[in-house]
Amino acid sequence: KAGVTQTPRYLIKTRGQQVTLSCSPISGHRSVSWYQQTPGQGLQFLFEYFSETQRNKGNFPGRFSGRQFSNSRSEMNVSTLELGDSALYLCASSLDGGTGNRQYFGPGTRLTVT
Amino acid sequence: QQQVKQSPQSLIVQKGGISIINCAYENTAFDYFPWYQQFPGKGPALLIAIRPDVSEKKEGRFTISFNKSAKQFSLHIMDSQPGDSATYFCAASVQGGKLIFGQGTELSVKP
Repeated sequence: KAGVTQTPRYLIKTRGQQVTLSCSPISGHRSVSWYQQTPGQGLQFLFEYFSETQRNKGNFPGRFSGRQFSNSRSEMNVSTLELGDSALYLCASSLDGGTGNRQYFGPGTRLTVT
Repeated sequence: QQQVKQSPQSLIVQKGGISIINCAYENTAFDYFPWYQQFPGKGPALLIAIRPDVSEKKEGRFTISFNKSAKQFSLHIMDSQPGDSATYFCAASVQGGKLIFGQGTELSVKP
């Protein structure tokens, strides 16, 4: 089975712009979670989607949003980019996000905001 | 209460030695405790995981020890190898998809 894929792998944006990142989960996986990884804050949970519905949300401002499509692919959007949004954005998929479900991570999208 | 505290931040071990990384949590509702390994430029990969009704789980050279009363769990890497050099994260979750991660431990295994 192909793993979790994320596109693009690298992105450079200017402050104030918006960005959309894409995640394709492992075939058959219906839960997709997004995380932000920075040297200072570590790995922080953004949100989780299951069956096209946001099921869990982390403590991020409303500029961070996401959605999931009927084929379980997911996108996250960050509007009005700030310098502090520079990070590695990781997507993880699991069968249904239930307890003990193994989460498989993609390689991430490295976002740099200048 | 949602935090998971991980120590040490960095660890240097000789080849063949035992690497030990510790984590502590406050939220007694956590019901799943995985450990992830991350190499530079890669996403985290699940190493081993445990539920709170089990005190120890072993998979190959990797062992999780879990102390429910102390709200602590640890990862032991036996016979550490240079290829184990990576960043290790403990995590915890309540009913699935939202993982709360520790701050990470950068392990370096010297040949």
